[in-house]
Amino acid sequence: QLQLQESGPGLVKPSETLSLNCSVSGASLGSTTYYWGWIRQTPGKGLEWIGTIYYRVATFYNPSLRSRVTISVDTSKNQFSLKLTSVTAADTAVYYCARQVPGFANSWHDWGQGALVSVSS
Amino acid sequence: DVQMTQSPSSLSASVGDRVIITCRASQRISNSLNWYQQKPGKAPQVLVYGASNLQGGVPPRFSGSGSGTDFTLTITSLQPEDFATYYCQQSHYTPQTFGQGTKVEI
Repeated sequence: QLQLQESGPGLVKPSETLSLNCSVSGASLGSTTYYWGWIRQTPGKGLEWIGTIYYRVATFYNPSLRSRVTISVDTSKNQFSLKLTSVTAADTAVYYCARQVPGFANSWHDWGQGALVSVSS
Repeated sequence: DVQMTQSPSSLSASVGDRVIITCRASQRISNSLNWYQQKPGKAPQVLVYGASNLQGGVPPRFSGSGSGTDFTLTITSLQPEDFATYYCQQSHYTPQTFGQGTKVEI
């Protein structure tokens, strides 16, 4: 059974870099079958797609965040990561890692439990 | 970006009621529309993908329809476990975008 688990600091200072990892069990990130990505949720803006990575090398980012976001995969650890630079209070959110299934209208089929990240000094 | 507008934003209903939630896209998105259910403190879960395909394990009281710009999620007989917030998501264009949510309350 597929499981995703986010990990990383729950508090980040303004202007610093937010870093989260997503550990995956039950599927290989080296597979070409799925897409993997990050989505965040805030009370104000709701659910916001951050970006997606496919087969370690193809990445797709939300244009609104593209200049600050990097998503990468470490197949040796079977985990993928999110880095968001120059954070502000507006980046305070619950961050989810998830698996997207291309054959199912690119729906997000499996989600981690979510990681609350607060940006504050 | 494609704007997804859900209505209503919230509704009150009773067990056994038929509930209809609508989602309108600001551009035509074919049938690239997915519906999710989210309960407090939990991640969203996909209910319907491709506008009308029920995800495995989802009760048949849920159904989705629509194409182009107008979509609906119908719950034919609301059950206690269905009280939650529902979101639509378009996957036709980048960036993929979500509706603002519809909260179904008792």
